[in-house]
Amino acid sequence: EAQVTQNPRYLITVTGKKLTVTCSQNMNHEYMSWYRQDPGLGLRQIYYSMNVEVTDKGDVPEGYKVSRKEKRNFPLILESPSPNQTSLYFCASSSTVTGGFGANVLTFGAGSRLTVL
Amino acid sequence: AQKVTQAQTEISVVEKEDVTLDCVYETRDTTYYLFWYKQPPSGELVFLIRRNSFDEQNEISGRYSWNFQKSTSSFNFTITASQVVDSAVYFCALSPYTGGFKTIFGAGTRLFVKA
Repeated sequence: EAQVTQNPRYLITVTGKKLTVTCSQNMNHEYMSWYRQDPGLGLRQIYYSMNVEVTDKGDVPEGYKVSRKEKRNFPLILESPSPNQTSLYFCASSSTVTGGFGANVLTFGAGSRLTVL
Repeated sequence: AQKVTQAQTEISVVEKEDVTLDCVYETRDTTYYLFWYKQPPSGELVFLIRRNSFDEQNEISGRYSWNFQKSTSSFNFTITASQVVDSAVYFCALSPYTGGFKTIFGAGTRLFVKA
């Protein structure tokens, strides 16, 4: 089954304790991205990656890091979490073949709800 | 700059009513994609439709229909004869035609369908 898998689904942590949210896709998609969802703000892009070793900032990158060492994986790292990073996080991937079937259509993971105390 | 506006924060209807969710966008790109995604109470995000900027034909899929009007930069979504299962948050989104690196989402419209 084509899917994006992210873990953990739920996490409660404390300020300053480093954490990593993993994301893996099995569709051989070039493009992967992280979003955070907050009430009234919709989904805001944190970081994205066009391919292995190619990453770039989205609209709200402060406090986050990413890496893309393998095509299928795109972990999100919070080096020193703070309470304002309490949010629902989604990883997504898509094909980037211009004009192709499924191009730019995002497949999302199930979401990771993070609470930073 | 790109922007997607969903002015309706919440809509409440009674089952079997028709409901239209509004989406207005801004972009300087001449070619782009527009999307609708659904987020049911279970929380996952589900793709509903993708539209190319150069194809203004309206689309119907069962009880769902989409009206794309380039002249008014709008991509509205209508649910006919709404059902309780349609209760969800609906997001409109916009991306450049090439690459799709920067998919921008609206704030979402929460739809309540009461039995």
